[in-house]
Amino acid sequence: DVKVTQSSRYLVKRTGEKVFLECVQDMDHENMFWYRQDPGLGLRLIYFSYDVKMKEKGDIPEGYSVSREKKERFSLILESASTNQTSMYLCASNTGSPLPRYEQYFGPGTRLTVT
Amino acid sequence: AQSVTQLDSHVSVSEGTPVLLRCNYSSSYSPSLFWYVQHPNKGLQLLLKYTSAATLVKGINGFEAEFKKSETSFHLTKPSAHMSDAAEYFCVVTLPNFGKGTSLLVTP
Repeated sequence: DVKVTQSSRYLVKRTGEKVFLECVQDMDHENMFWYRQDPGLGLRLIYFSYDVKMKEKGDIPEGYSVSREKKERFSLILESASTNQTSMYLCASNTGSPLPRYEQYFGPGTRLTVT
Repeated sequence: AQSVTQLDSHVSVSEGTPVLLRCNYSSSYSPSLFWYVQHPNKGLQLLLKYTSAATLVKGINGFEAEFKKSETSFHLTKPSAHMSDAAEYFCVVTLPNFGKGTSLLVTP
């Protein structure tokens, strides 16, 4: 079974803190994605990566950065957390190049609260 | 460019009646289309996918969807709703373009 794991299920951080969200997949997938999920807004893509050290901005990259040093790991970084970044963060991976036409496999999500 | 519109943010049905969740898309090339389900406090799970094979796609839990190119639609249906179908449903066109979701409520 494909497995996508995220480092934390729940996280509480203070405004201004630097926050790292980690995602690991075990299926040798080329593509990895970070979304945030908010009620009524669905899933919005923050960043994605087609390969190691490659990244592409999604729809809402402001306030976030990413790192992909190894194929299996994709990190989301909040440089200076703000209260409007309180959300559920979902990581996903899939295969398929150059366009991701194949189903995504999702992690369980990290519910981040910024106070 | 690709985009997807889920036409209803909330749908309420009675148990045992049919379910219809509507999804329209736009795509500049032949799309891949997906439906995902998310039960409360659970992760996203693939229901079904269309990738240019048969236009009628069968998924898990009795759901199916029909790809209609002329109508640019990919509506999700189920003949008879079950209480366990209550969840959030997402239509996706050629990843990673997610719709905003439709919340399905099933009443006894």
